[in-house]
Amino acid sequence: EAGVTQFPSHSVIEKGQTVTLRCDPISGHDNLYWYRRVMGKEIKFLLHFVKESKQDESGMPNNRFLAERTGGTYSTLKVQPAELEDSGVYFCASSQLSSYNEQFFGPGTRLTVL
Amino acid sequence: KNEVEQSPQNLTAQEGEFITINCSYSVGISALHWLQQHPGGGIVSLFMLSSGKKKHGRLIATINIQEKHSSLHITASHPRDSAVYICAVPNFGNEKLTFGTGTRLTIIP
Repeated sequence: EAGVTQFPSHSVIEKGQTVTLRCDPISGHDNLYWYRRVMGKEIKFLLHFVKESKQDESGMPNNRFLAERTGGTYSTLKVQPAELEDSGVYFCASSQLSSYNEQFFGPGTRLTVL
Repeated sequence: KNEVEQSPQNLTAQEGEFITINCSYSVGISALHWLQQHPGGGIVSLFMLSSGKKKHGRLIATINIQEKHSSLHITASHPRDSAVYICAVPNFGNEKLTFGTGTRLTIIP
């Protein structure tokens, strides 16, 4: 069975440009989480989908970030316009819909904003 | 103060040594995760545990819920164990994770 996949693996863009990250969760996993690791800091929660609904988006840094999960399958995270401080590694994780379930992480997308 | 504290932040050891990484947390939890991140790589879930001890190969994870403390042990360490080890705890209700800062482990041949 395929694990969580993310695309692209790396993205280098200039400040002010737009980037869209994609996450494909494990099939059947209703929970989907986005996390981010900024250089030198711990990984931080961004938001949580249950199927296509945003359950918790308290970690989204500002309105330049837009996450979607149309149809409750894959999710996209768009950053528009990108700023230097958005650089980091963006991780996606998925889990089954019940408590205490292990989250499976994707390989991450390394975003560099120049 | 971070809700999840790890120690040490960096650890260098010789191949074969017994390794211990500690994690303390200040919030009530349902379970605790130990994760591994290799340089340039993604994150791999090593353990999720809510009580007692779990073992997988040379890795052992223990947790003491009353003391809000968990340890990750590596026996007969090997250079391929070099990675960042991260503990993470979920929030009740939605299971979003709060992460420790990680422990960078380097095993020297």
